[in-house]
Amino acid sequence: DVKVTQSSRYLVKRTGEKVFLECVQDMDHENMFWYRQDPGLGLRLIYFSYDVKMKEKGDIPEGYSVSREKKERFSLILESASTNQTSMYLCASSRDTGTNSPLHFGNGTRLTVT
Amino acid sequence: GNSVTQMEGPVTLSEEAFLTINCTYTATGYPSLFWYVQYPGEGLQLLLKATKADDKGSNKGFEATYRKETTSFHLEKGSVQVSDSAVYFCALSEPGTASKLTFGTGTRLQVTL
Repeated sequence: DVKVTQSSRYLVKRTGEKVFLECVQDMDHENMFWYRQDPGLGLRLIYFSYDVKMKEKGDIPEGYSVSREKKERFSLILESASTNQTSMYLCASSRDTGTNSPLHFGNGTRLTVT
Repeated sequence: GNSVTQMEGPVTLSEEAFLTINCTYTATGYPSLFWYVQYPGEGLQLLLKATKADDKGSNKGFEATYRKETTSFHLEKGSVQVSDSAVYFCALSEPGTASKLTFGTGTRLQVTL
């Protein structure tokens, strides 16, 4: 079974701090994604990566960056955390981009910025 | 751009009741359509999918039919169980892919005895 592991379940940070959210998948998947989940807004795509060292902006990339130095790891970086980045962050991976390759999600990191 | 609209929740049903969660979409071309489910404290997992018009996706007693004429992909189950209590997300992707999904806002289902 595919396992997508997010390093922290809960995180509390102060405004202005640099925040790293880590995600690791164990199935050699090509693609990795970062979403944020907010009540009434559903899931919104922040960044995604189709290959090592590759990244593409999603729908809401402002205030975020990402890093993919190794195939199994995809990091989300908040350069200077702000209170409007308080949210649930979900990492996902998929084997490839075909329709028989669904997203596999981690359990999420709930980030609170005070 | 692409968008997905789901019915507002929460939906509260008694066990063995019939379930419908409405989902409509706006997209160019012929997107692939998905339902994902999120159980309490867990990440999302794929429930079912349909990749072309009139396809029916099914899994665990849930069904949804890709209706191009009404741009809809409503989720149904004939008899819900307490264990079906979760948040259900409708989503779409570009044709031929299951990645880079556009999600709806989610519908919380609560099933009681």
